[in-house]
Amino acid sequence: DQQVKQNSPSLSVQEGRISILNCDYTNSMFDYFLWYKKYPAEGPTFLISISSIKDKNEDGRFTVFLNKSAKHLSLHIVPSQPGDSAVYFCAASPSHFGNEKLTFGTGTRLTIIP
Amino acid sequence: NAGVMQNPRHLVRRRGQEARLRCSPMKGHSHVYWYRQLPEEGLKFMVYLQKENIIDESGMPKERFSAEFPKEGPSILRIQQVVRGDSAAYFCASSPGQGAGNTIYFGEGSWLTVV
Repeated sequence: DQQVKQNSPSLSVQEGRISILNCDYTNSMFDYFLWYKKYPAEGPTFLISISSIKDKNEDGRFTVFLNKSAKHLSLHIVPSQPGDSAVYFCAASPSHFGNEKLTFGTGTRLTIIP
Repeated sequence: NAGVMQNPRHLVRRRGQEARLRCSPMKGHSHVYWYRQLPEEGLKFMVYLQKENIIDESGMPKERFSAEFPKEGPSILRIQQVVRGDSAAYFCASSPGQGAGNTIYFGEGSWLTVV
């Protein structure tokens, strides 16, 4: 039972354009959502998070949008840079503070084309 | 990756041997988590520990797997009598504790190969 789904296994975007990564979830108990970036043979690196009481959170080039009614969140990266090429994981937590058990999606491999 | 130290980075074990993976959390962090990533899959939660306590082990296989976080020293994930299906990347993460802003940070991972 995949409670967090990333339906696009891969995405290619031209450098300078916007990258939009999508994530859907099924469990209404999830209260906090996070995005992690992962390079091969390394651990996930925290990017940005959002609490369920918000619908948008922005940090530099990264913005996360949350649509609770649709159980959908998205990560926008603008402008996209070659160093953004990595696998991006969406994760969800039942904790309001996001630091209990995380449920991860299967990841989307983002490739930025120079 | 934010100072969570894992060792060994790579470990090869024959079927039936024991594997021990160690994790030192970031300085000041008292909460440790272990996750496993099988090939071509996302990370799956295994266990959540605080010092000397297991808080949530709902993701741990019922047999052969155990975890501890002693008062002194690193957290240890122990896999007894390893099988080929245990081959995976094992990631440790830590956080300062519960409370707003206490995000989980991951280590570089330990890659276990069972031959």
